[in-house]
Amino acid sequence: EAGVTQFPSHSVIEKGQTVTLRCDPISGHDNLYWYRRVMGKEIKFLLHFVKESKQDESGMPNNRFLAERTGGTYSTLKVQPAELEDSGVYFCASSQVIAGGQYEQFFGPGTRLTVL
Amino acid sequence: AQSVTQLDSHVSVSEGTPVLLRCNYSSSYSPSLFWYVQHPNKGLQLLLKYTSAATLVKGINGFEAEFKKSETSFHLTKPSAHMSDAAEYFCVVSEVGRNNFNKFYFGSGTKLNVKP
Repeated sequence: EAGVTQFPSHSVIEKGQTVTLRCDPISGHDNLYWYRRVMGKEIKFLLHFVKESKQDESGMPNNRFLAERTGGTYSTLKVQPAELEDSGVYFCASSQVIAGGQYEQFFGPGTRLTVL
Repeated sequence: AQSVTQLDSHVSVSEGTPVLLRCNYSSSYSPSLFWYVQHPNKGLQLLLKYTSAATLVKGINGFEAEFKKSETSFHLTKPSAHMSDAAEYFCVVSEVGRNNFNKFYFGSGTKLNVKP
């Protein structure tokens, strides 16, 4: 079974440019999460999709970030325009739903974003 | 709200000696707790999880963790370190939010170095 994949693995852009990150979850997983780790800090939740719907986007830093999951399969996270403080590693995770609500999330390798 | 404190940012042990990675948490509810490991250029992999069953949890690769409610701790241990254990380890607290979906809160990570 293929795991969670993310593309690109690395992205270097200049301040003011736009970048789109992609995540392909494990097939059949309705839940898809985005997280971010800024250098030296902990991994922080950004948002959560259930199928194509945004269940919780309380972690999105500001309106320069736009996440989509059209059709409930892969997801994209667009940053426009990028700022220096957006640099970090962006992780995607997916999961199934199990009764009781506590279940493992499967993580991708992350996309390292560097904004110059 | 949940929070997680990993008390050591770096731990160095010799191969064959015990490993102890410390984690304390705060939680308003009965928490679920996880340990994940990240090897270089890989996604986060689940080591073990505690979900209100046995307080001593056994995971993969010989790791285990003990949930101690009175100490609000969930320390990760292994009797004998192997070179392949060198990686970054994350303690995670899960909160069940709206509509019974869980939300992860990460510690800042502990980098484990294993010396030959």
